[in-house]
Order: sequence, then C-alpha cells, then structure tokens
Amino acid sequence: QLQLQESGPGLVKASETLSLTCAVSGGSISNKNYYWGWIRQPPGKGLEWIGNIYYSGSTYYNPSLKSRVTISVDTSKNQFSLKLSSVTAADTAVYYCARLMQLDYWGQGTLVTVSS
Amino acid sequence: QAGLTQPPSVSNDLRQTATLTCTGNSNNVGNLGAAWLQQHQGHPPKLLSYRNNNRPSGISERFSASRSGNTASLTITGLQPEDEADYYCSAWDSSLSAVVFGGGTKLTVL
Repeated sequence: QLQLQESGPGLVKASETLSLTCAVSGGSISNKNYYWGWIRQPPGKGLEWIGNIYYSGSTYYNPSLKSRVTISVDTSKNQFSLKLSSVTAADTAVYYCARLMQLDYWGQGTLVTVSS
Repeated sequence: QAGLTQPPSVSNDLRQTATLTCTGNSNNVGNLGAAWLQQHQGHPPKLLSYRNNNRPSGISERFSASRSGNTASLTITGLQPEDEADYYCSAWDSSLSAVVFGGGTKLTVL
C-alpha cells in the first residue's frame, strides 16, 4: 500500500523559507505514470494546489506562488521536497503531499504556522 | 488562478439523494473531466472518483460522478450520516498547465 508522509518544521518565521519533505513508501517515486505534488489548506478554507514534480524533475507550479516555490525530487531516497520562500502569515496552512494527477494517495498533512 | 465553481453548501435528508455540481470550462472540466474528493474535519481528502466516474476500490457505489459539457456532478444516493463532509472537485487545466480546485461544498445530512 502506497504511503506518503510529510515532515518538516511546524513553525516558520515570517520572511524565512518553509521547507517540507514527503517520503514515499510502498511504491516507487520513479513510476512513469504519476506526478507528485503539494497542496495546502489554510485553516477553515479550501484546497490550494502548489505544484507538481515528475521523477525526471520537470515541474508545474501554481502561477500565484511560482516566484516563491521550488519543488525537487530525490529518487534515491524516494522522496520529494517543497521550499516556499519569503513566507507570511497567509502561508499558514496544513500542507499535504499527494500523488497526482489522480489525487488518490495523500499524506496526513502537516500544519505549518508562520509567526511574525 | 481561475478555479472551479461549487455551491458552498448542499443539504438533504437521510436516505435521500444529493447532487453536487462543479463548473469549469473547456480547458479543465470540459477537457479531461474532474476528480471528486471527500474531506472530513481534521482528515486529508479522500478520492471518490477520478476523471468523472472512475471509482477507486473501496469507494461505495452510492457515489457516482458524471459530466455534461463543462459541468461535473457527484451524486450521492441513500445519504448516510457519515456522508456529511466537505466535497471538492479538481481538474487539470490545460491552458494554465495547473491543477485547479473548486472552493468546496459542505454537505449536511438532515
């Protein structure tokens, strides 16, 4: 059974960089049929797509976040990562990693709070 | 980023049928169809249907998805208390090269 697990700091200071990693187990991140991505959900709000990455490293990013987002993949560790720079309170959210485009497997999510 | 349009709330009686809608355009829903996700409070979203009516294993047949033009629909028959949740639709937008989500519909089972 495929499992995804997010990890990273739960508290980030404003103007700094948020960094999260998603470890994939039970399957290979190099599977050519899938992308891997990050999605976030501010408290009490809806889902917002952040971006996708393919095992080869090709990426798609949300245009509204593109200038601040970097998603990378490490196939040797079967994991992918998110970096979001210059964070503000508006970036406080539960961050999920998921298998795309099917959205059939999700991590449990990790709450990241941006402090001033 | 343009999103998909969902009604904020839908309600219906226990054991009745609820239909949720998701409106996009020819670049997203009208192109490759939509996925439907169910989210209970405090939990990650769960895939109910992919590209209109491909249900993952383990998803009840009470959940049925369809599409007409640029609008996708999720029909839930025989409403149960556990169906009370937030429902999101999602699609790939080929003109934006982006995943787009609807704002979500809160389903209340009366």
